[in-house]
Amino acid sequence: GAVVSQHPSWVICKSGTSVKIECRSLDFQATTMFWYRQFPKQSLMLMATSNEGSKATYEQGVEKDKFLINHASLTLSTLTVTSAHPEDSSFYICSAPQLAVSSYNEQFFGPGTRLTVL
Amino acid sequence: GQNIDQPTEMTATEGAIVQINCTYQTSGFNGLFWYQQHAGEAPTFLSYNVLDGLEEKGRFSSFLSRSKGYSYLLLKELQMKDSASYLCAVVDSNYQLIWGAGTKLIIKP
Repeated sequence: GAVVSQHPSWVICKSGTSVKIECRSLDFQATTMFWYRQFPKQSLMLMATSNEGSKATYEQGVEKDKFLINHASLTLSTLTVTSAHPEDSSFYICSAPQLAVSSYNEQFFGPGTRLTVL
Repeated sequence: GQNIDQPTEMTATEGAIVQINCTYQTSGFNGLFWYQQHAGEAPTFLSYNVLDGLEEKGRFSSFLSRSKGYSYLLLKELQMKDSASYLCAVVDSNYQLIWGAGTKLIIKP
């Protein structure tokens, strides 16, 4: 299957700093990528849809000025958590659909990035 | 609104069979996924159903009834490594993935 990578896999930062997370599709092109956040013992929560060459679409309640998304190429999307605070500590996961002929579009997930804000 | 329900936690014995149910109410339906997620890791694909019936893949099978808004994941010959969370996700009419909260499966020796 297709491979999606994320970097870094974990990061610890001080409150008030910014953190950038990269999501790459390694063997396919992804015009769309999804960013999720998962708190302990909870399900995945879609934060935003990253669109190559255009602005990201944010879910209700997600601050677009705090979570900056850039989809610079067909294989790279970045999520920057600006002025991070302890409540932003979470597991951030990206995914990319590998489109097929039918409506079936399996999501391939990156390995996730665990962010801890002190 | 859109809603997906699955049990929060289930416990089963190594070597046994377990069925994890998922019911959904969504705006449209374009398929249902089951994913496995081990603690601290990203989800991995298990199955996809878009037509009614049972799909079998090794020890895992997935069933769908669109008229009832119901699916289940059946795990046979349980192994300790099957201890994980199992996520049900439905593709709605806008091809958005709607996620259930996941079922934590605990396997005991």
